[in-house]
Amino acid sequence: SQQGEEDPQALSIQEGENATMNCSYKTSINNLQWYRQNSGRGLVHLILIRSNEREKHSGRLRVTLDTSKKSSSLLITASRAADTASYFCATGGQFYFGTGTSLTVIP
Amino acid sequence: ETGVTQTPRHLVMGMTNKKSLKCEQHLGHNAMYWYKQSAKKPLELMFVYSLEERVENNSVPSRFSPECPNSSHLFLHLHTLQPEDSALYLCASSQGLQINTEAFFGQGTRLTVV
Repeated sequence: SQQGEEDPQALSIQEGENATMNCSYKTSINNLQWYRQNSGRGLVHLILIRSNEREKHSGRLRVTLDTSKKSSSLLITASRAADTASYFCATGGQFYFGTGTSLTVIP
Repeated sequence: ETGVTQTPRHLVMGMTNKKSLKCEQHLGHNAMYWYKQSAKKPLELMFVYSLEERVENNSVPSRFSPECPNSSHLFLHLHTLQPEDSALYLCASSQGLQINTEAFFGQGTRLTVV
């Protein structure tokens, strides 16, 4: 299977806390991407990390990649209610996704 | 607005109906994708088109028939569907199948088969 698998399936935190979600994959990759999906809408690209990178930042997002463990993590710092969404990782040149992590940020 | 437009946004159809979903992108991309999203299941990649040629068909039942008349348009023709085909159908596009490109998604069509 080429798809990534996100963990946990669901996460609920208070506004202001940090949220961490993980992605594991099975095949070799050239890059790994994270996407966000608001309920019932399309996915939106957040960040891409290449296989030769270990960490990348974008605003309140921090992504790490450990190719030896075939895993990645997405950290959202100082979460806001508007961050409530599902988050997906994608691997492979043709964008294979998992089931996602459903994040709820409680105001 | 991502530059990928899907119509209709919602569709209710009977099992004997024939309908089509439409996807249009004005991003100059040459790869387009159809996904099916059902509750509690991974996002399922159904079809991939690159330069208007189908490059992947992931064991999708023949009651789903894709069509890519040009690089800006992608259709999914539906006929004799089953209730379990009810789902959110998402279209996406990217700049080719290069490994370091990102996908742009439409807002999806919520399909209900009755």
